[in-house]
Amino acid sequence: GAGVSQSPSNKVTEKGKDVELRCDPISGHTALYWYRQSLGQGLEFLIYFQGNSAPDKSGLPSDRFSAERTGGSVSTLTIQRTQQEDSAVYLCASSSGGELFFGEGSRLTVL
Amino acid sequence: DAKTTQPPSMDCAEGRAANLPCNHSTISGNEYVYWYRQIHSQGPQYIIHGLKNNETNEMASLIITEDRKSSTLILPHATLRDTAVYYCIVRVRGTNAGKSTFGDGTTLTVKP
Repeated sequence: GAGVSQSPSNKVTEKGKDVELRCDPISGHTALYWYRQSLGQGLEFLIYFQGNSAPDKSGLPSDRFSAERTGGSVSTLTIQRTQQEDSAVYLCASSSGGELFFGEGSRLTVL
Repeated sequence: DAKTTQPPSMDCAEGRAANLPCNHSTISGNEYVYWYRQIHSQGPQYIIHGLKNNETNEMASLIITEDRKSSTLILPHATLRDTAVYYCIVRVRGTNAGKSTFGDGTTLTVKP
């Protein structure tokens, strides 16, 4: 597609379950970002991938959060043993070095 | 990334110009000013960016002060559809731009 694609758009899970969120960046974009947005809040940086370099994981809130980017394209954000405070919209963005292009986000609700 | 400071909220009358300020007093010489907006329940959308010269595109104008410590996004004729959260960030350009840090932005409400 022409834009950044994220799936699922909505995910409801029970506390303690693991979830995977997927991001398909714009083809050719070497940089990929994950952000978290809690209700009524700004964007919280989570992790940044650039080409084959080691990712910048400085924003991951705990070791329950991890992300990978396979083949320099698709990325998966994994949250293990989800907690209610993990409920938020998870946004992915990609870039070729200029502006960021965002997906529509994955809304996660942890019951 | 340099930190930016924006007012939490602003109102604007429909048809009037909306002027959204941003302070970035610790901006580095190679950092650009970028503006994005986020309409409710959507992903953020790029608006405009600049380094030191004023910029204009079909969406908005960007005025950057000479010392580059602040900037103003101008929506010349605001419409109800411009109601959104507006984010100002600073970042370098290029393949090693690094992470981009967003603040809480300014919630612009355009009123009829």
